[in-house]
Amino acid sequence: DGGITQSPKYLFRKEGQNVTLSCEQNLNHDAMYWYRQDPGQGLRLIYYSQIVNDFQKGDIAEGYSVSREKKESFPLTVTSAQKNPTAFYLCASNKRGGVQETQYFGPGTRLLVL
Amino acid sequence: DAKTTQPTSMDCAEGRAANLPCNHSTISGNEYVYWYRQIHSQGPQYIIHGLKNNETNEMASLIITEDRKSSTLILPHATLRDTAVYYCIALDISNFGNEKLTFGTGTRLTIIP
Repeated sequence: DGGITQSPKYLFRKEGQNVTLSCEQNLNHDAMYWYRQDPGQGLRLIYYSQIVNDFQKGDIAEGYSVSREKKESFPLTVTSAQKNPTAFYLCASNKRGGVQETQYFGPGTRLLVL
Repeated sequence: DAKTTQPTSMDCAEGRAANLPCNHSTISGNEYVYWYRQIHSQGPQYIIHGLKNNETNEMASLIITEDRKSSTLILPHATLRDTAVYYCIALDISNFGNEKLTFGTGTRLTIIP
């Protein structure tokens, strides 16, 4: 079945540690996105990528990094510079650059700092 | 993109039509109205979108007022599985490169058995 997968479902991070969240899609979508959601809040855009080997900062990129070496994959690294990383992280993709095409979301990864 | 305003929460009896309003009084001619929903601890799910004509699909109907300053999402026969947070988003699709969906806090819809 086509879709977006995110792993792991839950992730625990120690203080000062970098962690990487996985996002894979087999929908042949060009564009991919990372959002962060805090309790009771809407989603905020961290990074997005319209094409392989290119990505742009969203509204809250500080403390995060991404790569887009393959069309299917858009991993997000939460670095130690992100001071409040506990949140629900959502990956999305759509057919071409530009959100006029419907975005499809993955199931999310919940990150908790110990 | 235009700001949207939605009620914080709503209840609806199971089997009844759920009508979710959204105000977007500053919407421009190039902005579509999109609706997504998010069931607890899951990723958002696209529901429907429209520009000025009413739209219907297998999930819902979207009614946009003639002046486009507001819209209503209608779930015709609500079930318990429709309990979720519903987001109304105004999006300018003419500006290629304006890539982000801006999610507000949405409306928390609770379907009552």
